[in-house]
Amino acid sequence: VQLQESGPGLVKASETLSLICTVSDGSISSFDWSWIRQPPGKGLEWIGYIFSNGTTNYNPSLKSRVNISLDTSKNQFSLKLNSVTAADTAIYYCARDLRIEVGGRDFYYGLDVWGQGTTVTVSS
Amino acid sequence: QSVLTQPPSVSGAPGKRVIISCTGSTSNLGAGYDVHWYQQFPGAAPKLLIYDTGNRPAGVPERFFGSRSGTSASLDISGLLPEDEAYYYCQSYDSTLNGGRVFGGGTKLSVL
Repeated sequence: VQLQESGPGLVKASETLSLICTVSDGSISSFDWSWIRQPPGKGLEWIGYIFSNGTTNYNPSLKSRVNISLDTSKNQFSLKLNSVTAADTAIYYCARDLRIEVGGRDFYYGLDVWGQGTTVTVSS
Repeated sequence: QSVLTQPPSVSGAPGKRVIISCTGSTSNLGAGYDVHWYQQFPGAAPKLLIYDTGNRPAGVPERFFGSRSGTSASLDISGLLPEDEAYYYCQSYDSTLNGGRVFGGGTKLSVL
């Protein structure tokens, strides 16, 4: 599986950041997926995930502004973050979020495949 | 303020051993959620280094060893090499976030 982020590198403040992650060499319907970001010089921040069945969960700090969706026809998933500010300037990564359900219990294997990341700058 | 706490930096001489700690709480590590470790070089995406406490993906040397106890986890790197110099992040899950993912703040490893 390979992942590639795409989208505008520059977004104006108060507008919507939109990114796409294209999945290659694997079916998007078979796994769960996450978005993570990293502000300049800082650590990793989980934005949210989408399960293969479409269930989503978002970081509470971003929940009111975030939407993650799947497009199985294109083998892509997307991130939309609205009302952006300078604080949303970061490298945005998509990743496969490996989870296996056995007998009703979830087993987690980490974010095992990452895209190369895409830099998004919010301008005023 | 990260949910998981890591030291900002650690250092060690080539050939020596360092341990990077990751401290959580009863809603994440203490609740038994899995813990994973990532290695990130400047300008590159993070790479999964250890999954489910102590398992290494194919290609990760045995010099990298993960463990956990209670509300903490540790990454033990032995036989330090100059190329180990990187940032290391722990990651788990949190019940207060309905299973949402949480990261440590990251630790910069310097090989002196």
